Formats: sequence, structure tokens, C-alpha cells
Amino acid sequence: DSGVTQTPKHLITATGQRVTLRCSPRSGDLSVYWYQQSLDQGLQFLIQYYNGEERAKGNILERFSAQQFPDLHSELNLSSLELGDSALYFCASSGGAISWNEQFFGPGTRLTVL
Amino acid sequence: ELKVEQNPLFLSMQEGKNYTIYCNYSTTSDRLYWYRQDPGKSLESLFVLLSNGAVKQEGRLMASLDTKARLSTLHITAAVHDLSATYFCAVTGYGGATNKLIFGTGTLLAVQP
Repeated sequence: DSGVTQTPKHLITATGQRVTLRCSPRSGDLSVYWYQQSLDQGLQFLIQYYNGEERAKGNILERFSAQQFPDLHSELNLSSLELGDSALYFCASSGGAISWNEQFFGPGTRLTVL
Repeated sequence: ELKVEQNPLFLSMQEGKNYTIYCNYSTTSDRLYWYRQDPGKSLESLFVLLSNGAVKQEGRLMASLDTKARLSTLHITAAVHDLSATYFCAVTGYGGATNKLIFGTGTLLAVQP
């Protein structure tokens, strides 16, 4: 158990809908990362927050947004969902934001868009 | 742009055999990680490699790093069925303000009895 929690574990929804994925980092970790894992795109970095501020952005669609709250939990919002958004979404956390801070991954949320 | 290539994509091995997974990356990186993923599960950290010539071993797995060649290898010795999983390498950028991970494509390892 990495100490990173994600809810829900599974989510099934329809095209055009909006969902919110939630992540609670390890106690004391200030940085949160979101990654998407799909069959066609592999594992790719979406976005990073550090202590409430956006730190880095990857291949995140405009339909997706994220935020980190004062209690350091993070939410990833996915809107106008398409079939291709079906994927496993991982959250990770680390103590800091720069290269020597190892990330610890949560169990993931499996999103299925029908 | 930092890119990571991993090969092979799929590896079918017999128990007791040895093999190596290769991970190449395109630009200088601060750190290289190896992860294991079981089907539908999260990523389990196996190794963190920091410097040129670094070698780490855990059980039947040994990872090494050659920063000059921008190459890491994950060597499997005397494979057993329990090692069947997907293995990913991932790198961070160099000296940047973020430690986002760039992942390789993954190697699906199937160890046959």
C-alpha cells in the first residue's frame, strides 16, 4: 500500500457526460501527479500540482481539468467524455516537486465510457 | 522532447531462462525508474537508478544504467512464473522544475512453465 488513495475504483458512464476523479496523497506529500494509461497511448503524464499550484502540464486535453485543494487532495475533472477517454487514471504523490523526489502511485480509477 | 523507447514489447520466456529488457531515452535525465505492473493493478516501484554505472539487484532482477549511452537494462535471471507482469521504465527530465515521469511503452513478460 503506497498511502495514496483514489476514488472511485471504477466508473462507468456515457459519452458526453462529466466525471470527477479524486486523489488523496500520502501524508505530508505536497505534489500530486495525474497519469492516464490506455491501450493506444500507453502511460502518459497529464498534469502536476505542487502545494495547490499547477507545476507542469503534459498531454492533457482541454476537456480535462484538475485542481489541488488546501488539504492537498486533488481532483481530475473529465468532461464531454468520448469513448477514447476510457482508460486507467493514476494519481501519484511525492514530497517535493523536482527530480529527486520519488513518486508513489495510487491504485487507479478505471473509467469506462460507453 | 524527452522520449523513452523500450524493447521488446512482448517477451515470452521459459522458466529458468535469462533475458534482458532494454530502455533507451533521448535526452539527459536525472533519474531512471523501473516499475512492475500486474494486470489491472497499480505500478510497483522496483528500482531507482541515479548515476552512471549504477547497478541494483533484487532477487532475480538486476537493473543497470549507462547515462552516456542513455540506456538502462533490466536483466532477468532464471525466470519464474511469478515474474510474469508488464515492466516499465520511466525517466524524469534533467534539472527541471518538475519530476514528471516519461514512460516507456512497457514490456509484457510471460514466463511459461
